[in-house]
This record gives sequence, structure tokens and C-alpha cells, in this order.
Amino acid sequence: GAVVSQHPSWVICKSGTSVKIECRSLDFQATTMFWYRQFPKQSLMLMATSNEGSKATYEQGVEKDKFLINHASLTLSTLTVTSAHPEDSSFYICSAVGAGANVLTFGAGSRLTVL
Amino acid sequence: AQRVTQPEKLLSVFKGAPVELKCNYSYSGSPELFWYVQYSRQRLQLLLRHISRESIKGFTADLNKGETSFHLKKPFAQEEDSAMYYCALRIGGTSYGKLTFGQGTILTVHP
Repeated sequence: GAVVSQHPSWVICKSGTSVKIECRSLDFQATTMFWYRQFPKQSLMLMATSNEGSKATYEQGVEKDKFLINHASLTLSTLTVTSAHPEDSSFYICSAVGAGANVLTFGAGSRLTVL
Repeated sequence: AQRVTQPEKLLSVFKGAPVELKCNYSYSGSPELFWYVQYSRQRLQLLLRHISRESIKGFTADLNKGETSFHLKKPFAQEEDSAMYYCALRIGGTSYGKLTFGQGTILTVHP
């Protein structure tokens, strides 16, 4: 079945640095990828929709300059948290849908801790 | 805006007992409802969707538009059902990843 891989699974960084998280579809081409954020013991919140070859669509309240999303190929989307601060510490999850598919496949998530 | 509510954060039952995880939604149109499950140390995965009208792992869920509910039920819970369950809503016509999730319910099935 469809597999989505995220890397890294865990990252710790200093405040003010930028962190890049990769999301790859391993055995299918993902025309659309989605980035979610999950706070501890809370629900998943959709941050943005990433379409291959075009700009990401951000949800209301999500800073696009803070969370840079790039979807340069049909198998890779990246989320860069720029100038990270402790309040950006969270669990970031990506998911993907293949062309013509109607099932969402999730990555295992990436836990970001900003010191 | 649409909203999904799962009133129970924690639900504990004994093996063999019936279980019902509640999900209510608010949306004026016709949404598509899903149940996702996350087992310990595993990624989120689709359990079932209302349009499929299927039973997965013994679980069923019926969309009740009058009560705006999509409760997940299983007549005889098993220990391996212990997991986090999320109810999610998609507005018709939008992308399949544009989901609104509920807060989640942690189900624990005791032996």
C-alpha cells in the first residue's frame, strides 16, 4: 500500500535556527501533500496544502513566512520552520493523496523541540 | 466554520464489552465523515468512512444527519482495539486532505 515517510522523526534545535522536515511518498506520486500540526493531547490542525509545482495554500492563522513549504517534485514536500522559537515546538505530520486517489496516507510525524 | 466534537477524551471498557466512541459535527452542508485510528507507536490510519458503509475490524459508524453524529461502535471490544481514535470531517468538493479533526478519544480495552 501507499507509504509516506517523514524525516527526521525527532529534532531538537536552538531558538532562532531553522529546521527542515521532509515528507516523501515512497511508492506513489503525491500530487497533493498536507501538513498538520498537533499540540500535546490535542487534535491535528491543518496548516497548509502543498501542491506539486505551485505555491502552498495556508490555512487561516498560519504564517506562511514562518512555515515555508516547498513541493518541488511529485514525491517530496518539505516544511521549513524558520527562526524557530519554543512555541513552535510541536508534532508535525504530513499526509499525501495520489492522483485520482481518495485515500489520505499519513506520515509517522516529526517531533520538533525548540530550546 | 465546521467543527468536530469528541466529548470523551478517555474511554475504558473491558474485553468483550460493547464500545461506542461519540462524534458530533457541526456543518450546514453535506460533509464526509471519517474515523481514523492511531495505535501505539504507529501512524494515523484510516479506519472507515461513512460513504463506504463498511465494517472494519468489527467497527461500524452510521452518519446521522438529524443528530449530526457519526458515532463509532463495536459490539465486542478486543484488547487490540486500544488506541487513539479521531473523528474527522471533510467538506464535499474540497481536497481529501483538508480534514477537520476532533480532539480524539483514547480507548483502553482491559483484559
